Amino acid sequence: AQSVTQLGSHVSVSEGALVLLRCNYSSSVPPYLFWYVQYPNQGLQLLLKYTTGATLVKGINGFEAEFKKSETSFHLTKPSAHMSDAAEYFCAVKPQSGGSYIPTFGRGTSLIVHP
Amino acid sequence: NAGVTQTPKFQVLKTGQSMTLQCAQDMNHNSMYWYRQDPGMGLRLIYYSASEGTTDKGEVPNGYNVSRLNKREFSLRLESAAPSQTSVYFCASSADQNTEAFFGQGTRLTVV
Repeated sequence: AQSVTQLGSHVSVSEGALVLLRCNYSSSVPPYLFWYVQYPNQGLQLLLKYTTGATLVKGINGFEAEFKKSETSFHLTKPSAHMSDAAEYFCAVKPQSGGSYIPTFGRGTSLIVHP
Repeated sequence: NAGVTQTPKFQVLKTGQSMTLQCAQDMNHNSMYWYRQDPGMGLRLIYYSASEGTTDKGEVPNGYNVSRLNKREFSLRLESAAPSQTSVYFCASSADQNTEAFFGQGTRLTVV
């Protein structure tokens, strides 16, 4: 069975600082990987995804993530935080084969951005 | 672009009452999902439908039933609401296995 671990339920950064949100997965076969963002009182929207090909993927709003198979990780980064980045971020996985392709989500990381 | 539409957006129920949460998508997606979101718990899958005519239990199905009415619509029913079902409910859909899920805006349900 697949699972997702997001380290840190809250991450606090200053505006202009590097953002790093961690995600590790557990799966016998590397899954498809996703990052979503949720703004207050809204649904989730896709930031970026990795399915095949280049392991460094770029998403919206200046975010990017790198798939590292050896570390079973898919950490999300942004070079310079903006106040508007304050939100809840979810890492998710879907199996590549052998199942019903159900997305499994991590518990989320709340990003706090200080002026 | 409507995407995934959920109704209602807010609901307050008394313990023991029943209600149905409605979800419709206009993207011709095969798979649809119902999740609940609780503080510190992330999103937990209640039920899903891999295709029209099929439904399966997820991680937390107790107290819920679902109907995949057609390819567009996937409803979630609470037969006898309990305070433990106070949560935010999200419907989502996806085209196939390597594509992302698209989410509705959520239904905030309070059971008193």
